[in-house]
Amino acid sequence: EVVLTQSPGTLSLSPGERATLSCRASQSVSRTYLAWYQHKLGQAPRLLIHGASSRATGIPDRFSGSGSGTDFTLTISRLEPEDFAVYYCQQYATSPYTFGLGTKLEIK
Amino acid sequence: QVQLQESGPGLVKPSETLSLTCTVSGGTILSGDYYWSWIRQPPGKGLEWIGYVYYTGNTYYKSSLKSRLTISITTSKNQFSLKLSSVTAADTAVYFCARALMGGYGEMEHFQHWGQGTLVTVSS
Repeated sequence: EVVLTQSPGTLSLSPGERATLSCRASQSVSRTYLAWYQHKLGQAPRLLIHGASSRATGIPDRFSGSGSGTDFTLTISRLEPEDFAVYYCQQYATSPYTFGLGTKLEIK
Repeated sequence: QVQLQESGPGLVKPSETLSLTCTVSGGTILSGDYYWSWIRQPPGKGLEWIGYVYYTGNTYYKSSLKSRLTISITTSKNQFSLKLSSVTAADTAVYFCARALMGGYGEMEHFQHWGQGTLVTVSS
């Protein structure tokens, strides 16, 4: 199965700063079938990015995704208070569809 | 706006069957554009995709769970369900239901909408 490794495990930043989250796959993710989700405790996870770089409906343009092959990045250009959460990457190119362990974005 | 809501017992005894239902509102489960999925997250661990059902009743399961798993759909109630038999403590998790887009080749794509999740504990 495709193992997704997210780094860092925890990222401590202040509102207004730029966040860069990494997701590395154990094998190439074909067709850039890579998504990013935001999850806050007790809430439904929220789709941010699909196809590695396409923003989902209603997602602010401060969120952007990039990458291909085995290396993918989620960038939040200027952090808002509501952006502090856990972020997961997921590949849907190869079954079983797998997730990374997440990056916790916390307020510094 | 599509919403999904999981429901079912929060406590199941070892060796018994875990049963959950996902109720879909704001859209029909009869659409041919989506796969209706289950995902779980054991405490302190990562997310694990379990399987999905199509509106026709066709299913696809994670191979390691296939022998214990049944996912079904009840179109008249706009619901789909999960049954996991012979549970152990390792099946303790928050269980999420989600709607995944079907791609152009019939493959499952990303999860567009999720429920909030429900914690199921396996314990005597």
